[in-house]
Amino acid sequence: NAGVTQTPKFRILKIGQSMTLQCAQDMNHNYMYWYRQDPGMGLKLIYYSVGAGITDKGEVPNGYNVSRSTTEDFPLRLELAAPSQTSVYFCGVGGGDYGYTFGSGTRLTVV
Amino acid sequence: GDSVTQMEGPVTLSEEAFLTINCTYTATGYPSLFWYVQYPGEGLQLLLKATKADDKGSNKGFEATYRKETTSFHLEKGSVQVSDSAVYFCALSPLGYQKVTFGIGTKLQVIP
Repeated sequence: NAGVTQTPKFRILKIGQSMTLQCAQDMNHNYMYWYRQDPGMGLKLIYYSVGAGITDKGEVPNGYNVSRSTTEDFPLRLELAAPSQTSVYFCGVGGGDYGYTFGSGTRLTVV
Repeated sequence: GDSVTQMEGPVTLSEEAFLTINCTYTATGYPSLFWYVQYPGEGLQLLLKATKADDKGSNKGFEATYRKETTSFHLEKGSVQVSDSAVYFCALSPLGYQKVTFGIGTKLQVIP
């Protein structure tokens, strides 16, 4: 089935550690997004990409980095984890009039 | 900028009750409007959408009508089930644009 795959599903990091959240799609879509979801805050856009080699900042990019070397993959990098980055992260594909297809999410806790 | 307003809840209903979750928006032009549903422990799934004024989106017994005059897109269902317990997000996508603005989500609890 076509879709969006996120790994890992859960992760606990210590303050100052780094990690990469993976997102892979088999929908052959140019548009990909990273959101974070915090209780009572809805979803906030971190970064997005309109195609391989093209990325741009969203509302809350500080503390994160992205790259897009292929159409299929859009990894999100946390360089120096902070407690404020404790959240659930969702990768989305698509958009416009068709809406998003989301992955199942990565729940990250920074301690 | 664009914004979406919805109550956080929780909304608690008995099974077979009528559901309304209000959503109003602020946007320039004529955005597309969406409802997403998030079941416990899962990602968001597109529930329904409407792309122009007076359009009605529907899916799984849920409906919402795009009302330009009141800038609203309220979600309704005639008879809820326990399995409808989830968080519901209203969202908009500006015309010709790809980035989506989400509301804060409304938690629905349906009790038997």
